[in-house]
Amino acid sequence: NAGVTQTPKFQVLKTGQSMTLQCAQDMNHEYMSWYRQDPGMGLRLIHYSVGAGITDQGEVPNGYNVSRSTTEDFPLRLLSAAPSQTSVYFCASSSDSPWETQYFGPGTRLLVL
Amino acid sequence: SQQGEEDPQALSIQEGENATMNCSYKTSINNLQWYRQNSGRGLVHLILIRSNEREKHSGRLRVTLDTSKKSSSLLITASRAADTASYFCATDAGNQFYFGTGTSLTVIP
Repeated sequence: NAGVTQTPKFQVLKTGQSMTLQCAQDMNHEYMSWYRQDPGMGLRLIHYSVGAGITDQGEVPNGYNVSRSTTEDFPLRLLSAAPSQTSVYFCASSSDSPWETQYFGPGTRLLVL
Repeated sequence: SQQGEEDPQALSIQEGENATMNCSYKTSINNLQWYRQNSGRGLVHLILIRSNEREKHSGRLRVTLDTSKKSSSLLITASRAADTASYFCATDAGNQFYFGTGTSLTVIP
């Protein structure tokens, strides 16, 4: 099993550009989440999904869109990137509940100029 | 707003010593979890304690939970250089999930 994979590992964007961060898991987990990690602030929940076709907002959803068309994939879309979205983004999945015993991907480091 | 706060922010100990880090949170929770993050890597789940539990052990880890004080502690016994990492508490509040700000642990060989 590859676990949770994320692409790309690193990305540089200009303000106003859009992009999609990819996340995939091969553990057949029902629940998936996106977090951002900023220095000194820990991780903050952006969006999460409790199954294919079902998503909901976390603590910091503004500026991000998600969809879940399959169990395996949970992409995060930045519609119009802003410097405030410079961060490290982590995707996670779990099987028992949305946030119990989550498995994390290696992260995507995003720099918005 | 951040649900969890941890202290100390940074901790440096000698190999073989015990490390204790604390977490405080603000609202009622279903469970509290601890995760480890090695530099630049994804997080790894360590242990989960439910709101009706007071203490839990896993190998060299011991977690306590005091729901009346809204606090938890993580004890790592007989620390090793490989334990050097950041440790985060995380609270499951039912409809939201919050991470603390983390404790950076350095274990000196």
